[in-house]
Amino acid sequence: GAGVSQSPSNKVTEKGKDVELRCDPISGHTALYWYRQSLGQGLEFLIYFQGNSAPDKSGLPSDRFSAERTGGSVSTLTIQRTQQEDSAVYLCASSLGGHANEKLFFGSGTQLSVL
Amino acid sequence: GNSVTQMEGPVTLSEEAFLTINCTYTATGYPSLFWYVQYPGEGLQLLLKATKADDKGSNKGFEATYRKETTSFHLEKGSVQVSDSAVYFCALMRNSGNTPLVFGKGTRLSVIA
Repeated sequence: GAGVSQSPSNKVTEKGKDVELRCDPISGHTALYWYRQSLGQGLEFLIYFQGNSAPDKSGLPSDRFSAERTGGSVSTLTIQRTQQEDSAVYLCASSLGGHANEKLFFGSGTQLSVL
Repeated sequence: GNSVTQMEGPVTLSEEAFLTINCTYTATGYPSLFWYVQYPGEGLQLLLKATKADDKGSNKGFEATYRKETTSFHLEKGSVQVSDSAVYFCALMRNSGNTPLVFGKGTRLSVIA
């Protein structure tokens, strides 16, 4: 596609429910990133996929968070048993090869609200 | 570990004022450095970058110089406009291996006419 696409754009859920957030990266981009943007916390790295390598999960805040990337393209971020502190904007980004000087292209994000 | 510290906002300036947003970093090795910008209602986008010491990144009148001796990458613009109102993020990525981009907390800039 023309850009990184995320869905849904907004998600309201009740505490304790599971949610799935989807990211469609730019076609041909091998690197995919998930970040969380909370008020006053800036951009927090969650997980990074690069080609067929094992993902870098070092930013996932708890075992309730997981992500997968099928076929090297679409990625799904899953949050189980959501808590109110999970409320944030979840941003996905992709880049061509994951190299250090490459530009990241960001999606518009999913605004998650946990009631 | 790798981290980025940038000045806290919000920053409010009058149009045509000089802008500096400070950014310092901690990293192993020599990272690439970036400034990303998030305009109201829009997604994050790359503003400028520098990949080695003494490089200067520039775009849209903004500049930042990679200073290894002070581990800094301060963002500057000589004359801001109302359209520059946005949140600015400093970021780094290690040059060795596949690593994620590490961001600072962001600085909100408001420019008033």
